[in-house]
Amino acid sequence: DAGVTQSPTHLIKTRGQHVTLRCSPISGHKSVSWYQQVLGQGPQFIFQYYEKEERGRGNFPDRFSARQFPNYSSELNVNALLLGDSALYLCASSPVDMAGGVGSYTFGSGTRLTVV
Amino acid sequence: AQSVTQLDSHVSVSEGTPVLLRCNYSSSYSPSLFWYVQHPNKGLQLLLKYTSAATLVKGINGFEAEFKKSETSFHLTKPSAHMSDAAEYFCVVSHNTNAGKSTFGDGTTLTVKP
Repeated sequence: DAGVTQSPTHLIKTRGQHVTLRCSPISGHKSVSWYQQVLGQGPQFIFQYYEKEERGRGNFPDRFSARQFPNYSSELNVNALLLGDSALYLCASSPVDMAGGVGSYTFGSGTRLTVV
Repeated sequence: AQSVTQLDSHVSVSEGTPVLLRCNYSSSYSPSLFWYVQHPNKGLQLLLKYTSAATLVKGINGFEAEFKKSETSFHLTKPSAHMSDAAEYFCVVSHNTNAGKSTFGDGTTLTVKP
């Protein structure tokens, strides 16, 4: 069975550009969450989506946005990139709505974004 | 509000000796607690979780953790370290009132010496 897949695996962008990261959850999982992991730190929560609706948002600026599609895949968009946006972006899927009950995530391997 | 503190940023043990990775948490509610492991260039893998059932939780690869409410701790242990255990370990707190937000600690790097 395919796990959580993320694309691309690596990406280099210039300051001021925008980027779109993609995630396909495990088949049957309806919840997708996005995390940012800066080198040397734990992952920080960005968004959670369940059944195509935003269910949670972390403390990130409006330059960060996301959406979930009818097939439950998801995109994370970041506009006006800053050097500080350089990080590993992790997508995680879960079969449950994390707001309605606490389950556990299955993580993808992440997208390594470098902003120069 | 919820937070996690991993008390050691680095832990080094010899192969075959016990492992102890320490985690303290803070939560306004009865939390759910998790330990994840991250090997280099890999995604995070769930080791074990506590969700208000038995306080001693057994996970994969011989790891276990004990929830101690009075000490607000959730330390991860393993009786005998293996070389393949070398990785980054994250303690995580969550609650279903937090709309999907799980709070990660900063991680503990485990080194296993031959």
